[in-house]
Amino acid sequence: ETGVTQSPTHLIKTRGQQVTLRCSSQSGHNTVSWYQQALGQGPQFIFQYYREEENGRGNFPPRFSGLQFPNYSSELNVNALELDDSALYLCASSAGVSGANVLTFGAGSRLTVL
Amino acid sequence: RKEVEQDPGPFNVPEGATVAFNCTYSNSASQSFFWYRQDCRKEPKLLMSVYSSGNEDGRFTAQLNRASQYISLLIRDSKLSDSATYLCVVTKMDSSYKLIFGSGTRLLVRP
Repeated sequence: ETGVTQSPTHLIKTRGQQVTLRCSSQSGHNTVSWYQQALGQGPQFIFQYYREEENGRGNFPPRFSGLQFPNYSSELNVNALELDDSALYLCASSAGVSGANVLTFGAGSRLTVL
Repeated sequence: RKEVEQDPGPFNVPEGATVAFNCTYSNSASQSFFWYRQDCRKEPKLLMSVYSSGNEDGRFTAQLNRASQYISLLIRDSKLSDSATYLCVVTKMDSSYKLIFGSGTRLLVRP
């Protein structure tokens, strides 16, 4: 059983650029959630995807967007990057949207915005 | 006010010590409670769930007090490998199931 994989692991961008982060969910998991973790903080919920639709969103601006594909993998897109977007971006998959399902996190993509 | 509050630490303890972490949460409608462990520059990993009746997993004991909206984690006989950041987590279920994380408490266990 493969776990959650994310790519790239590290990347550096400059202000105003756009970035796409990718996530492959764990085998058997159809739900993907994205979290942002700034240095010294806990992860913050960005949004969740279920059946290729956004299924809930945290307090993030519209320049944060996502997709989920038929194979349940997902992308996080961030436009017009700002310095404060520098963070670890974590993807977590689960076998549904019920609270009974345990989330499995990927190792994250570390974004630095200069 | 943050939804989940934790003392950031660091807690610096010798091997073999007992250490306790506390956390408070603001939303009385929170449904589930967890402690996660996060090693430096790694992803969070589930340490244990927390129940009102209390639960124990080896050297780790977690407790929930719903009336006080307070969660605790006790680590007995600390090991060097326990050095990590411990994240208190509550859940919120509306249109989606989301984890609300505290900022974490850093533990350093010294020889």
